[in-house]
Amino acid sequence: EVQLLETGGGLVQPGGSLRLSCAASGFNFEANAMSWVRQAPGKGLEWVSGITNTGETTFYADSVKGRFTISRDNSRNTIYLQMNRLGVEDTAIYYCAKEAGATNGWHDYWGRGILVTVSS
Amino acid sequence: DIVMTQSPASLAVSPGERATINCTSGPSVSTSNIKNYVAWYQQKPGQPPKLLIYWASMRESGVPARFSGSGSGPHFTLTISSLQAEDVAVYYCQQYYTTPRTFGPGTTVEIK
Repeated sequence: EVQLLETGGGLVQPGGSLRLSCAASGFNFEANAMSWVRQAPGKGLEWVSGITNTGETTFYADSVKGRFTISRDNSRNTIYLQMNRLGVEDTAIYYCAKEAGATNGWHDYWGRGILVTVSS
Repeated sequence: DIVMTQSPASLAVSPGERATINCTSGPSVSTSNIKNYVAWYQQKPGQPPKLLIYWASMRESGVPARFSGSGSGPHFTLTISSLQAEDVAVYYCQQYYTTPRTFGPGTTVEIK
């Protein structure tokens, strides 16, 4: 059974930093690209960042480029999202999502999500 | 960025009736060999999204047959052939043709 467990969320002040982790199990982790998708309270889905199966290539939404960094450790079956210079607009539930392929695919499994609140 | 639009924003359908959701991409997310890079997701309150359809018309394993996807080029459709109470949710289309991956704004489906 595929499982994705996000950790590391919480309350942070504007301008602060936070690192999210997503521990994966139940599939061949190094064979699949992974993504982070977020959802602000009462809003729709926003793709944030993606990383290929080897970690060689990363992608970002314009809204987070230069502030967020995605990475992965295939030996630990874990991806990370380092979030710097956080603003109130980054307040959202952050979902970790598995992609159905090595580089480019749909999101076939999602974690339960972790809440990030940016507020003073 | 590719923009995904959805219509209607919400709809109410009687149990057993058909629900149809439209999604349009701009520009197209289809290739000349007729690959349509569109997925559909269902999100119930308090839950993460769930994959329903990929390649615009391929039903994910375990998804009930009443859910179907169709379309090509810039116009795509998700159809629920006979709405059940458990289908009340928000439905999103998404393109995975390129990054940034973009979602439509969502369509809320309710029971009439």
